[in-house]
Amino acid sequence: DVQMVESGGGLVQPGGSLRLSCAASGFTFSGYWMTWVRQAPGKGLEWVANTNEDGSEKHHVDSVKGRFTISRDNTKNSLSLQMNSLRAEDTAVYYCARGKAIIDCWGQGTLVTVSS
Amino acid sequence: QSALTQEASVSGTVGQKVTLSCTGDSNNIGRYGVGWYQQISHGAPKTVMFGNSLPPGIPDRFSGSKSGTTASLTISGLQPEDEAHYFCSTWDNRLSVQVFGGGTKLTVL
Repeated sequence: DVQMVESGGGLVQPGGSLRLSCAASGFTFSGYWMTWVRQAPGKGLEWVANTNEDGSEKHHVDSVKGRFTISRDNTKNSLSLQMNSLRAEDTAVYYCARGKAIIDCWGQGTLVTVSS
Repeated sequence: QSALTQEASVSGTVGQKVTLSCTGDSNNIGRYGVGWYQQISHGAPKTVMFGNSLPPGIPDRFSGSKSGTTASLTISGLQPEDEAHYFCSTWDNRLSVQVFGGGTKLTVL
């Protein structure tokens, strides 16, 4: 079965850093675009970043450019999101997702809370 | 304000047919396929429509369509377990971002 499991979330102070990871299994990871989507408490879904099959192309939403970096390791079937200079408004559940433009599979999410 | 516009809420009775809409423009829905995602009680989203295709395991009472810059998700024969928030999304060629609708809360009466 296709499965994606996120980890790395937690409580961090404003200005701090976190690295989220997503372990993928059950499909040929290197054959898919991969995406991070977040959802702030009580809000809708927001696209954060995506990367193409070999990691050579990356896109980030303007609000995280220069602070977040998406990356992947196809040898480990792993997707990551390095988050620096975190702000209160980055508080959200972060989902690892498969696809570009249209997502066909989602992880269960990991909660990031930015608070002092 | 979301790039894609969805109804805030829709309701229907068991067995009824309901249609949810998602309106964009020529840079997004007018150019690319649309995904629809179901989210029950703030759990993880689940894809219920992938373009015009039904993902494995999704009941065939769900169907999708698109006309110009508006996409639609139709649920024929509404069931209590369909009560959820539904989000649409696609790529926006002008903004170079994936865009989401604000979501529709579907209530089954």
